[in-house]
Amino acid sequence: AQKVTQAQTEISVVEKEDVTLDCVYETRDTTYYLFWYKQPPSGELVFLIRRNSFDEQNEISGRYSWNFQKSTSSFNFTITASQVVDSAVYFCALRASLTGANSKLTFGKGITLSVRP
Amino acid sequence: NAGVTQTPKFQVLKTGQSMTLQCAQDMNHEYMSWYRQDPGMGLRLIHYSVGAGITDQGEVPNGYNVSRSTTEDFPLRLLSAAPSQTSVYFCASSRQGAGNTIYFGEGSWLTVV
Repeated sequence: AQKVTQAQTEISVVEKEDVTLDCVYETRDTTYYLFWYKQPPSGELVFLIRRNSFDEQNEISGRYSWNFQKSTSSFNFTITASQVVDSAVYFCALRASLTGANSKLTFGKGITLSVRP
Repeated sequence: NAGVTQTPKFQVLKTGQSMTLQCAQDMNHEYMSWYRQDPGMGLRLIHYSVGAGITDQGEVPNGYNVSRSTTEDFPLRLLSAAPSQTSVYFCASSRQGAGNTIYFGEGSWLTVV
C-alpha cells in the first residue's frame, strides 16, 4: 500500500521568510514517482514538480527547491523569500510504477500555507 | 490549450436527484480519473479508466457511475445524490504509465441539500 504523510497542516509565515513543507512517503515499489501540486484559493490544482525514485538530485527552480532523500523517504519542498502569492494548499503525491489501480496518485492531506504581508 | 475541461463548475442538487459531471480532455491521454476533495481528507480516487471501454473503481466508488465511450470523455454520474456527496470533484488525465504527470481540471463544486 502507498501512503503520503504531510504532518504539517497549517503554516503561517511573514513575507520574505523561507518555509519548508515536509512530505514523507511509504511504498513497497522500487520505482515510483513523487509530485507536488499547488492549490491556490481559486481552487485549481497546479502541477509543480515530478521526481522519479532513481534520481535523488535536488532541484531548484527560482524561489522553489525540492530535497528528495530516499534514505528517509522524504520529498521536502522549500520556498525561499516567500510571497503573498505563495499562499495556497500544497499537496505531495506518490504514483507507483504499476499500471491500473496502482497508477493512481496517492495524496497527502495537504499543507495550508499562509504568507502574511 | 484546453487541457482537461470540467462542467459544470458549480451545482446545487436536492437529495435523491441524479446528475452528470462532464469531463473532456484534448491531449489524447489514455488514463482518466475522478477524485473528490473533502476538508482534511486530501483527494481520494473515485473511478478511473485506462482507455475507451475500460473503467474500474477507486477508493470511494459507492454512489457513482462512470463510462468511457471515447478517449476524450469521462463523465461521472451521481445516481441518487446524498448530502455526503457534497464535495469538490476533480477530473484528471495523463498518458499511461506512472511516470507521467496527471493533469487536473479546474474542479466542480457540488452541494447536495
